[in-house]
Amino acid sequence: NAGVTQTPKFRVLKTGQSMTLLCAQDMNHEYMYWYRQDPGMGLRLIHYSVGEGTTAKGEVPDGYNVSRLKKQNFLLGLESAAPSQTSVYFCASSSRLGANYGYTFGSGTRLTVV
Amino acid sequence: KNQVEQSPQSLIILEGKNCTLQCNYTVSPFSNLRWYKQDTGRGPVSLTIMTFSENTKSNGRYTATLDADTKQSSLHITASQLSDSASYICVVSKAGANNLFFGTGTRLTVIP
Repeated sequence: NAGVTQTPKFRVLKTGQSMTLLCAQDMNHEYMYWYRQDPGMGLRLIHYSVGEGTTAKGEVPDGYNVSRLKKQNFLLGLESAAPSQTSVYFCASSSRLGANYGYTFGSGTRLTVV
Repeated sequence: KNQVEQSPQSLIILEGKNCTLQCNYTVSPFSNLRWYKQDTGRGPVSLTIMTFSENTKSNGRYTATLDADTKQSSLHITASQLSDSASYICVVSKAGANNLFFGTGTRLTVIP
């Protein structure tokens, strides 16, 4: 049981380049989330999805786009990377929205924008 | 403003000793509070989840307490092991909201 798998694990981008981070879960979870984790700050929600074909903005959505074409996959895109997007990105999934249910996190993608 | 504050920021203890980590929050209305363990280079892993009506929950050597009146929680680790070295993150869920509020974590180092 792989849980939540993120690819790639590491990436270095030049300013202005684009890339897509892939998140895949095999738990048949309805809800999926993208977070970023920066030093000295708690995880912050970028975008989330409550089901296939749906997406919604989180706390810090600017500069990112997402797609949920298949239930098991949640893609995070950076169209024009900026140094401020240097961070560790975590994908998570859950079987229910919010209360009383645990989130399963992936192991993260460390992105550096130079 | 919805906030989650943890203390201390970092802690070093000897193997076998106990320790307690603190979490204060202002998130309202409250739904539940979670403690996560995050090993270096890994994603957070859930330790406990507590709702408003629960004031203590254990998971092995980890015991979490919740005082919803004072909006405080603690995570007590008993007989620490080297593998307990990690960041411990307090997370509060707001009722009716699609988001979690994360603390910045306490970095625990257990030394032999």
